[in-house]
Amino acid sequence: GNSVTQMEGPVTLSEEAFLTINCTYTATGYPSLFWYVQYPGEGLQLLLKATKADDKGSNKGFEATYRKETTSFHLEKGSVQVSDSAVYFCALKASSGGYNKLIFGAGTRLAVHP
Amino acid sequence: DAGVIQSPRHEVTEMGQEVTLRCKPISGHDYLFWYRQTMMRGLELLIYFNNNVPIDDSGMPEDRFSAKMPNASFSTLKIQPSEPRDSAVYFCASSTVFPDSGANVLTFGAGSRLTVL
Repeated sequence: GNSVTQMEGPVTLSEEAFLTINCTYTATGYPSLFWYVQYPGEGLQLLLKATKADDKGSNKGFEATYRKETTSFHLEKGSVQVSDSAVYFCALKASSGGYNKLIFGAGTRLAVHP
Repeated sequence: DAGVIQSPRHEVTEMGQEVTLRCKPISGHDYLFWYRQTMMRGLELLIYFNNNVPIDDSGMPEDRFSAKMPNASFSTLKIQPSEPRDSAVYFCASSTVFPDSGANVLTFGAGSRLTVL
């Protein structure tokens, strides 16, 4: 079946450190891939997306490249800030049984310290 | 637009009581989703609607859970009777079309935190 696997958190970094959050997926066909972010006390917000192999999604300094050969969509940022502290969710959109499904990973908590 | 509006934000109830969570999607959005978030299981899709019709309810845990969408601007998620293991944050989300490669995105409400004692 379709699924998303993320690295376990929490990830704890100092400000200006480099961030990588790993995400791999299992899906039939060619899913679209997403990263969502959840700040404390809020709902999820779309951070970036990619719709086909080798596409790079980017937003707010975050980037992720759709790698079909490794079925991965790792999230990266060159220099994190305290305000980036949140939970990050990798997700895919696939079709199953004629229905569309948006499937989320378990989430990875990021804590950035000054 | 005020976004996706959920109520109540917090609910504390006793086991066996009926719980009703409410959601007002963004005006004009055709899709509405209910998710449940817990530490153990993460974010789970319970059910989604398209044009007020339930499309996929395979994530609804059991018969104690039911969801309705009587019109385009309102949906409810009901748990009857509630149990302590139902304690979670329940999110409602909406979208103009199914969240996909286009410009449309899934917009989440702030969530309803349910505690069943």
